Amino acid sequence: NAGVMQNPRHLVRRRGQEARLRCSPMKGHSHVYWYRQLPEEGLKFMVYLQKENIIDESGMPKERFSAEFPKEGPSILRIQQVVRGDSAAYFCASSQGYRQYEQYFGPGTRLTVT
Amino acid sequence: AQTVTQSQPEMSVQEAETVTLSCTYDTSESNYYLFWYKQPPSRQMILVIRQEAYKQQNATENRFSVNFQKAAKSFSLKISDSQLGDTAMYFCAFTQETSGSRLTFGEGTQLTVNP
Repeated sequence: NAGVMQNPRHLVRRRGQEARLRCSPMKGHSHVYWYRQLPEEGLKFMVYLQKENIIDESGMPKERFSAEFPKEGPSILRIQQVVRGDSAAYFCASSQGYRQYEQYFGPGTRLTVT
Repeated sequence: AQTVTQSQPEMSVQEAETVTLSCTYDTSESNYYLFWYKQPPSRQMILVIRQEAYKQQNATENRFSVNFQKAAKSFSLKISDSQLGDTAMYFCAFTQETSGSRLTFGEGTQLTVNP
């Protein structure tokens, strides 16, 4: 049973470019969470999605960031016009469903903005 | 807003010895869930142990156990018979029903196990 998959593992973008991060949840999991880890810090919640729905985006920056989890395919975290401060590790986690509190994490995508 | 505090940025322990990592949290809810996650140098987040607030019995997973003190809002992790592979960053995390399942993490404790 494959775990949570994220790709790419490493992504380098120049300032002003777009970054797309992908996450495939564990088999049987329908809930996806995105977290960001800045250097030397803990993980910070960004957004919580179910298939075709954003449940909680209270941790998302108001501009340039968006997320989706379509009916088919992986969840996508999109960062437009990246800046140096976006450099971080972005982790995706999945859980089985509502009120299933155990979250299983992917290996993360390390975004570097040059 | 709920907060999670880990007051020990770094700790070290000799192989085969026991170490305790501390964590405190703040919430006004009565039903919530607490976790310890391990992040080794590979940076993969690995769930170590979980505790439901309504359960009085402390959770145990092999060499890992917790000391859950609900009144004190304290949730410490004890690692027995420490192994070199336990070297990692350890994060305490918290979630509750009213927060929609999102996890709130502490800042982490870097544990080094010395041979």
